[in-house]
Amino acid sequence: GQQLNQSPQSMFIQEGEDVSMNCTSSSIFNTWLWYKQDPGEGPVLLIALYKAGELTSNGRLTAQFGITRKDSFLNISASIPSDVGIYFCAGQPGGSQGNLIFGKGTKLSVKP
Amino acid sequence: NAGVMQNPRHLVRRRGQEARLRCSPMKGHSHVYWYRQLPEEGLKFMVYLQKENIIDESGMPKERFSAEFPKEGPSILRIQQVVRGDSAAYFCASSPREGAGYGYTFGSGTRLTVV
Repeated sequence: GQQLNQSPQSMFIQEGEDVSMNCTSSSIFNTWLWYKQDPGEGPVLLIALYKAGELTSNGRLTAQFGITRKDSFLNISASIPSDVGIYFCAGQPGGSQGNLIFGKGTKLSVKP
Repeated sequence: NAGVMQNPRHLVRRRGQEARLRCSPMKGHSHVYWYRQLPEEGLKFMVYLQKENIIDESGMPKERFSAEFPKEGPSILRIQQVVRGDSAAYFCASSPREGAGYGYTFGSGTRLTVV
């Protein structure tokens, strides 16, 4: 089946540092989404990408949808302690009716 | 404007019992998606429903699991004769339209523990 390979699996960074994580797939996706999940909560949408090559920002977050529609990255600039959590990429496959395929997540830890 | 409401937040069941998980979508949302998350894993799609219809159940185990979204009331995910492997967090998401790009919002989940 279709899979999303997300890396790195975990990151330990110092407050103020920039962070970069990415997702790749062997299949094409129509829509790429980046979510953040805090412990005990559901995923919260950070950024949605709809067009190949699209670059979108949301505050300190920037994400891009790859030209081939098979990859995406998420950057967080000037990290702060509340950025701690698990970040998931998710893609909507072509032909699907809205169901998403999720990566396994990148666990981010920020040292003050 | 309340978000997606799931209850209970935590559910403990003995092996062989039934588990019923409820999801009330956001106001104005008529599309509901259920996902399962195992520890240290991403979410896995289970089923997509619109009011009174199952649209896509390709991710549902063939036995013991069922879902409904009646005309009135919340969507229900039902697991019969639970086994230890059913222990997981179950999330639902709702959307005003079909597709993941239209305000697809997740609830806080139900954590099922089978003892």
